[in-house]
Amino acid sequence: DQQVKQNSPSLSVQEGRISILNCDYTNSMFDYFLWYKKYPAEGPTFLISISSIKDKNEDGRFTVFLNKSAKHLSLHIVPSQPGDSAVYFCAASRSGSARQLTFGSGTQLTVLP
Amino acid sequence: GAGVSQSPRYKVAKRGQDVALRCDPISGHVSLFWYQQALGQGPEFLTYFQNEAQLDKSGLPSDRFFAERPEGSVSTLKIQRTQQEDSAVYLCASSLVRSGLARAYEQYFGPGTRLTVT
Repeated sequence: DQQVKQNSPSLSVQEGRISILNCDYTNSMFDYFLWYKKYPAEGPTFLISISSIKDKNEDGRFTVFLNKSAKHLSLHIVPSQPGDSAVYFCAASRSGSARQLTFGSGTQLTVLP
Repeated sequence: GAGVSQSPRYKVAKRGQDVALRCDPISGHVSLFWYQQALGQGPEFLTYFQNEAQLDKSGLPSDRFFAERPEGSVSTLKIQRTQQEDSAVYLCASSLVRSGLARAYEQYFGPGTRLTVT
């Protein structure tokens, strides 16, 4: 049973436009959410995070939105750049655990020049 | 500063062989995690250390998997009698635990070891 789901395996966007990556979760105990970016043959790199007490967190071109009632979060990248092409993973953790991350299956973003 | 390093980067093992995968976390990071990533999937949690104590090993798929971190820094994941289904990328991550700081929850990953069992 997947507790974190990324239903779009791939997304293509034109350079300069907005990229929106989506993630859904089922476990209401999750209280911290993270996005990681992964290039081939490298480990995931931390991008941005959000606590469940917030509904938005922004860092430069990256904004994460959290809708707790819908158990949904999204990552917005504006403007998208070719260097953003990578696999993006959504991850979640919960209090009372070792804070291990539960990951989605990833979305391959391709930004076309 | 230096990030998380893992060795070897690639390992090919014949079915039934034992393998040992090494992780060097970021200096000073108290928490260390191992994950297994199958092709086309996200990483899945295997085990967690706080310093030298293994506090959670609920994700280890069988008793053929064993992890240690004897001095609270370098960690080794050992897989005995490897099977084809063990083929995956094994990722190590470390985290700086400081109570009250949200950034304690961010984990920093190494490049992984790709294990292929033939």
